[in-house]
Amino acid sequence: TQLLEQSPQFLSIQEGENLTVYCNSSSVFSSLQWYRQEPGEGPVLLVTVVTGGEVKKLKRLTFQFGDARKDSSLHITAAQPGDTGLYLCAGVSNDYKLSFGAGTTVTVRA
Amino acid sequence: EAQVTQNPRYLITVTGKKLTVTCSQNMNHEYMSWYRQDPGLGLRQIYYSMNVEVTDKGDVPEGYKVSRKEKRNFPLILESPSPNQTSLYFCASTSGISEQFFGPGTRLTVL
Repeated sequence: TQLLEQSPQFLSIQEGENLTVYCNSSSVFSSLQWYRQEPGEGPVLLVTVVTGGEVKKLKRLTFQFGDARKDSSLHITAAQPGDTGLYLCAGVSNDYKLSFGAGTTVTVRA
Repeated sequence: EAQVTQNPRYLITVTGKKLTVTCSQNMNHEYMSWYRQDPGLGLRQIYYSMNVEVTDKGDVPEGYKVSRKEKRNFPLILESPSPNQTSLYFCASTSGISEQFFGPGTRLTVL
């Protein structure tokens, strides 16, 4: 059983469209991280959100941490082919252990 | 350049033949982990180490061993590999604020 549920599992959109990826859990985390992984490489950290209700922006990417610190979302505005990849969320527990979601594969078509 | 290196990147072996996947980091991090990544299951932690000579089981430790004799190295050992250990393996090194730096991955196939 996955501690963190990500949806959707796959997402294919046209360049210029917006998309949102969700990460949900029944557990409370001290913080939540989002990673992007490209084929043949390891995941790379995009952002860490710490406070319930926190919103962080990274250029066209907006990350939100739920008020109860159980869920998070990643929104990409005007997606570009370079945004293609596997997006992973990871919840950080009080003992610093990370639990990963299964990931969302995003494909942005030119 | 700060990095985590793994070797080999690709390995095909047969059931029962002992193998070691090496991992090295140059960031002086104390905390290191091994994960396996399988389709639909995400990253699952195999073992972790909080410092030299300190290792502990993660979520899926069966069939694996690790050692941490030096801070920079954290090898993963499969004493008797089986086909269900066919997977993509990642070593990670963690900074004090829980940011994980991942290696490039080792794709292992056990026939």
